Amino acid sequence: NAGVTQTPKFQVLKTGQSMTLQCAQDMNHNSMYWYRQDPGMGLRLIYYSASEGTTDKGEVPNGYNVSRLNKREFSLRLESAAPSQTSVYFCASSERLQLNTEAFFGQGTRLTVV
Amino acid sequence: AQKITQTQPGMFVQEKEAVTLDCTYDTSDPSYGLFWYKQPSSGEMIFLIYQGSYDQQNATEGRYSLNFQKARKSANLVISASQLGDSAMYFCAMREPKTSYDKVIFGPGTSLSVIP
Repeated sequence: NAGVTQTPKFQVLKTGQSMTLQCAQDMNHNSMYWYRQDPGMGLRLIYYSASEGTTDKGEVPNGYNVSRLNKREFSLRLESAAPSQTSVYFCASSERLQLNTEAFFGQGTRLTVV
Repeated sequence: AQKITQTQPGMFVQEKEAVTLDCTYDTSDPSYGLFWYKQPSSGEMIFLIYQGSYDQQNATEGRYSLNFQKARKSANLVISASQLGDSAMYFCAMREPKTSYDKVIFGPGTSLSVIP
């Protein structure tokens, strides 16, 4: 039972490089989310998608783009990485419109930008 | 706009004692869900407990209970009989599902340390 799978688990980028973080869920959830976690800041919402074909900005969207490729996959792209984007990134999914269902999380991607 | 506040950056508790972790939230919507997650040092996010805005009773799950005070917009987590394995970060989260969006936001977290 895979749940939410994120790749890669670790990544080091040079300033200015681009990369895409991949996320896939096998629970047939409609809603998917990308968060970043920094010390003392908790999890901050970058982008979310309430259904296939829709995406919306969260609290900290600058410097990121997303694609909801299909119902299963939601990718996060850094076009030109900056040291301020060094963080742990979490993808999550949940069943939309069901108030009492929790979000399920991937294992996280630890990204370092040098 | 949604907002979650956790005013205790760090807490200490003696093993076997109870501890309360504070969470206040701000929303103008009558329909919302509140969640608590645990994040141990290994990094995974573990769901603990849920409280719905229309629930009449406080939620309980084993040693976890939620002290829900709707008028004060607070949803404090109570852990009874603390164990060493409870040492972790704890996050309060809120969800406002709508037909056009479904956002889940988190507070900054509280670091709990259980002392033997």
